[in-house]
Amino acid sequence: EAGVAQSPRYKIIEKRQSVAFWCNPISGHATLYWYQQILGQGPKLLIQFQNNGVVDDSQLPKDRFSAERLKGVDSTLKIQPAKLEDSAVYLCASSFADSTDTQYFGPGTRLTVL
Amino acid sequence: GENVEQHPSTLSVQEGDSAVIKCTYSDSASNYFPWYKQELGKRPQLIIDIRSNVGEKKDQRIAVTLNKTAKHFSLHITETQPEDSAVYFCAASKGSSASKIIFGSGTRLSIRP
Repeated sequence: EAGVAQSPRYKIIEKRQSVAFWCNPISGHATLYWYQQILGQGPKLLIQFQNNGVVDDSQLPKDRFSAERLKGVDSTLKIQPAKLEDSAVYLCASSFADSTDTQYFGPGTRLTVL
Repeated sequence: GENVEQHPSTLSVQEGDSAVIKCTYSDSASNYFPWYKQELGKRPQLIIDIRSNVGEKKDQRIAVTLNKTAKHFSLHITETQPEDSAVYFCAASKGSSASKIIFGSGTRLSIRP
């Protein structure tokens, strides 16, 4: 089965610019997650969707970050405007039903904010 | 708020020896505890998980134990091999459609030849 796809793989931007990441989960997976992983730290959940509804976005900096999952399949995560501290790897994952199912991670997008 | 603490942050063991990584969680309603392995530059991958209705689970050289009373769970790797070198993350979830998963901060395991 195809895995979780993400693009782009790498992105370099200057602070105050905007950026968008795309994720295509495994077909049939209801739950999609976006994580921020800063170097040397564990993945921090930004937002969790089940189908096209938001389960949790308590750690999403809503003044600059937004995410959507239209039609309950693909998802985009946007940062506008970016700050230096947003430099991280952004991981997308999906699971079949909910957070007690195995999560399959995508390759991630490495963001560098200069 | 909900929290998962993981120790140690780094661990170095001799090849062939055992490694133990421990996690504690704050939410007593948590009932699903996966462990993920992340090799350098790669994505996290599930290696083993345990649910609250069992106290121990084994898969070849890997085992996980759960103590719900104390709210902690541990990963045990026996007969360590060089390919076990990676960062290991524990996580906890309450296991409903409305619950989120929380990861620990990770343990960097190095296997000395």
